[in-house]
Amino acid sequence: GDSVTQMEGPVTLSEEAFLTINCTYTATGYPSLFWYVQYPGEGLQLLLKATKADDKGSNKGFEATYRKETTSFHLEKGSVQVSDSAVYFCAPKGAGGTSYGKLTFGQGTILTVHP
Amino acid sequence: GAGVSQSPRYKVAKRGQDVALRCDPISGHVSLFWYQQALGQGPEFLTYFQNEAQLDKSGLPSDRFFAERPEGSVSTLKIQRTQQEDSAVYLCASSADTNTEAFFGQGTRLTVV
Repeated sequence: GDSVTQMEGPVTLSEEAFLTINCTYTATGYPSLFWYVQYPGEGLQLLLKATKADDKGSNKGFEATYRKETTSFHLEKGSVQVSDSAVYFCAPKGAGGTSYGKLTFGQGTILTVHP
Repeated sequence: GAGVSQSPRYKVAKRGQDVALRCDPISGHVSLFWYQQALGQGPEFLTYFQNEAQLDKSGLPSDRFFAERPEGSVSTLKIQRTQQEDSAVYLCASSADTNTEAFFGQGTRLTVV
């Protein structure tokens, strides 16, 4: 089945620092790729997505590019804020067969940003 | 409602008790998923419904876990004879179809004591 390897955390940064969270995946077919975020005390929210190779998903200053050749979808942000402190999950979404569009999540990366 | 609603938000059960967790998906959403999230881990797939049909239950950890969606809308996840290892957050997600974004509920945090 599908699997995800996500950069281990926790990641601690100062405000305005550059962020990279690595994500690589294995999947059958041609999955869509997602980053979800879980803020303290809240549910999972979609942060960004990309549905085909070389697509770049972006939202709230975060970006990730679908790299089919390296099966990667690394999350980046040029200047993090304290409000970005959360847990980030990379998740491919099954494309067919018995996947039914289900998401396979990585273990999550805890990001803490200090003022 | 505007989003996916789950109830109760918190549940404490004594070991051996049966529990039922409810999910109200976004109106009109065909696909419904249940996930289990252990502390410090990512969500893990439990089961999938397309309308009222349960098409995949491969992630259910044991036969103590049972899910239904009889009218293709509200879904219930039932856990019989709860064990301590069942303690987790149970997440429900719905999407308009298999190709569109999945929206998650706040989850039900189950603690088995």
